[in-house]
Amino acid sequence: NAGVTQTPKFQVLKTGQSMTLQCAQDMNHEYMSWYRQDPGMGLRLIHYSVGAGITDQGEVPNGYNVSRSTTEDFPLRLLSAAPSQTSVYFCASSTPTSGRKETQYFGPGTRLLVL
Amino acid sequence: GENVEQHPSTLSVQEGDSAVIKCTYSDSASNYFPWYKQELGKRPQLIIDIRSNVGEKKDQRIAVTLNKTAKHFSLHITETQPEDSAVYFCAASPAGTYKYIFGTGTRLKVLA
Repeated sequence: NAGVTQTPKFQVLKTGQSMTLQCAQDMNHEYMSWYRQDPGMGLRLIHYSVGAGITDQGEVPNGYNVSRSTTEDFPLRLLSAAPSQTSVYFCASSTPTSGRKETQYFGPGTRLLVL
Repeated sequence: GENVEQHPSTLSVQEGDSAVIKCTYSDSASNYFPWYKQELGKRPQLIIDIRSNVGEKKDQRIAVTLNKTAKHFSLHITETQPEDSAVYFCAASPAGTYKYIFGTGTRLKVLA
């Protein structure tokens, strides 16, 4: 299994540009989420999904859209990039076992620089 | 809203000493508390977790304690080694959700 994969690894955007960060997992996990990591601020939840067709907002959803058309994929779209969105983005997945929460597995991250 | 506070932000210990990192959560209904280790340039990886029906859990040199009354949980690393140097994150997950709220991280340095 490849686990959780993310593309691209690194991206430079100009202010106002749009792009999609890709995330895929091959573990048949129901739960997927997107975080951004900024120095001194830990990991902040952007959006999450508990299954195909179901998404919800996290702590910092503004400026980002998500969709979940399949179990495997959970892309994150930046609608109009701003310098404040410069960050490292992590995708994560997990699956409840008999209704119990289990550990999240993180992807390798995407480093985004918005100029 | 839900919040997790983590202290200290940096911690330096001598090799062989113990390290303790503390977290406080705001949502009393939280029922799952994982700890992650993140090495420089790498992804966070789970090192230990605890559920709300347990007060303590150990895995070799690592232990986690949970005080539900005080809404505190702590990570204890004994006999620290240079390879323990990393950033450690705590998290709490409120009951009824699959959201994970993270603390701001602790940079642990183990001095040889």
